[in-house]
Amino acid sequence: GAVVSQHPSRVICKSGTSVKIECRSLDFQATTMFWYRQFPKQSLMLMATSNEGSKATYEQGVEKDKFLINHASLTLSTLTVTSAHPEDSSFYICSANTRLYGYTFGSGTRLTVV
Amino acid sequence: SQQGEEDPQALSIQEGENATMNCSYKTSINNLQWYRQNSGRGLVHLILIRSNEREKHSGRLRVTLDTSKKSSSLLITASRAADTASYFCVPSNQAGTALIFGKGTTLSVSS
Repeated sequence: GAVVSQHPSRVICKSGTSVKIECRSLDFQATTMFWYRQFPKQSLMLMATSNEGSKATYEQGVEKDKFLINHASLTLSTLTVTSAHPEDSSFYICSANTRLYGYTFGSGTRLTVV
Repeated sequence: SQQGEEDPQALSIQEGENATMNCSYKTSINNLQWYRQNSGRGLVHLILIRSNEREKHSGRLRVTLDTSKKSSSLLITASRAADTASYFCVPSNQAGTALIFGKGTTLSVSS
């Protein structure tokens, strides 16, 4: 089946620094990748949809200059949290969709900003 | 895509008992999926049921779909402690668009 590899699984960074999260589709091409954020004891909230070769589409209330999404190839989408602050501490997870295998999720990244 | 609404929000049972979770949605769908999420982990796809199906089984899982009532249910039989997780129903009416998650049902199975 389709596998999305997400790295890192955990990251701790200092306030004010930037963190990059990668999602790779291992055995299929993902023209679209979805990025979600989940705060403790809450549901997954869609942040943005990344499209290969074009600009990402952000959900209302998500700062596009803070959460930079790059989808430069059919197998890699990245989310960079810029100038991270403690309130950005969350669980970030990506997802891709294929006709054959449906929706596949990465294993998630636990970001802690100190 | 639209968001499903799971009920109850929390469910606590003993090992061996059955767990039933319900889901309601608002508009017509092509299919509905159930996912499980263990605490702080990624999502596991459990079952996809299409709009023309009424019931589907997978191991200890049984999913029903009633499109006239816009509702679905997930039954876990003979529950185990390892079933402790959050469960989400995700209705979909447009292939390829982002899935939208509700608050889910948090299931606790004690031994």
